[in-house]
Amino acid sequence: EVQLVESGGGLVQPGGSLRLSCAASGFTFSSYWMHWVRQAPGKGLVWVSRINSDGSSTSYADSVKGRFTISRDNAKNTLYLQMNSLRAEDTAVYYCAREKRLHRAFDIWGQGTMVTVSS
Amino acid sequence: QTVVTQEPSFSVSPGGTVTLTCGLSSGSVSTSYYPSWYQQTPGQAPRTLIYSTNTRSSGVPDRFSGSILGNKAALTITGAQADDESDYYCVLYMGSGSVVFGGGTKLTVL
Repeated sequence: EVQLVESGGGLVQPGGSLRLSCAASGFTFSSYWMHWVRQAPGKGLVWVSRINSDGSSTSYADSVKGRFTISRDNAKNTLYLQMNSLRAEDTAVYYCAREKRLHRAFDIWGQGTMVTVSS
Repeated sequence: QTVVTQEPSFSVSPGGTVTLTCGLSSGSVSTSYYPSWYQQTPGQAPRTLIYSTNTRSSGVPDRFSGSILGNKAALTITGAQADDESDYYCVLYMGSGSVVFGGGTKLTVL
């Protein structure tokens, strides 16, 4: 079964750091671009970041640029999001998603992990 | 900054047809933006409905269809059912690997 499972969410103080993980299974992880998408409570979906298949190229939303770092370990079939200098407005459910090759769209989603930034 | 626009809310009667749209604050949506559509119910992860303007994702019923209407991307639901009541999001590809979500449309079936 093709699956993405996020972990690493939790409660963190403003200015703190957190690393999210997304474990992939059921497909050749190293062949796909991957993304992080977030959703603040009661709000819409917002794209956060993407990484190409070998990890050599990344992109970020302006709201997280310079604070978040996306990476991947293809040997471990795992995607990461290192989040530093966290702010209250980063509070959200974070989803990892697989990009469908050649179609610039998401085809597989994880179940999400909640990040709460609060003192 | 590019803003992707969607109707905040829409309602449809059971069995009816509804068309949700996805536009740009400046300019027209074309197939070059690879419009895609997602359905989300509260507390659940999004579900992919349509990609590359009009291709249905695996397992999506054919009453969901995508198109370009005028200067916007569109999602049409034909024969709406009660469990179509959800939030619907469009996504447009902006180049360099980045995408932008629309604000979402809350669809009510009543």
